[in-house]
Amino acid sequence: DVKVTQSSRYLVKRTGEKVFLECVQDMDHENMFWYRQDPGLGLRLIYFSYDVKMKEKGDIPEGYSVSREKKERFSLILESASTNQTSMYLCASNPGRRNSGNTIYFGEGSWLTVV
Amino acid sequence: ELKVEQNPLFLSMQEGKNYTIYCNYSTTSDRLYWYRQDPGKSLESLFVLLSNGAVKQEGRLMASLDTKARLSTLHITAAVHDLSATYFCAALNYGGSQGNLIFGKGTKLSVKP
Repeated sequence: DVKVTQSSRYLVKRTGEKVFLECVQDMDHENMFWYRQDPGLGLRLIYFSYDVKMKEKGDIPEGYSVSREKKERFSLILESASTNQTSMYLCASNPGRRNSGNTIYFGEGSWLTVV
Repeated sequence: ELKVEQNPLFLSMQEGKNYTIYCNYSTTSDRLYWYRQDPGKSLESLFVLLSNGAVKQEGRLMASLDTKARLSTLHITAAVHDLSATYFCAALNYGGSQGNLIFGKGTKLSVKP
């Protein structure tokens, strides 16, 4: 069974804190993605990675960074959290180049509230 | 730049009725995806449409793709309450190195008895 796991489901952080959101997939997928979802705006891509240590900016990278030290793990980092980063964050993965375009699998989501 | 538009954004239906959700995309893409999301949950893959004229059906849902018109539809037949959810379409964007999905804003479907 396909599995994308986001370790933190619900977080409350203070403005200015550094926040780590972790995502692990067990399918040997090459591509991994971080989206945020906001009411009325749908899903917007923050960053994606197509290989270890490789990353590309999505549509809204400002205020975020990412890390992919191992193939199965893709971390989203908020260096200094702000209230406008309160949102649901979704991690996703898909097989990658050899099967580009196949289904993208999503994790359960991480609800982040910044106060 | 690839943009994806869904309509309607909100849909209230009675059980037993039929309806169609439309998904238009602005530039060439040969992969179209439909997802379902229940409140507080993640996205569940429904369909992947890979070519012009593709049609896929699962239960009361049928999805189709017309790449020439840059249009995909999700047709609901004889709706039941269990279909209440938010439905997203997404098109594959080849602009990045490996491609990523561009999502529509979603259609919130409410099926009432």
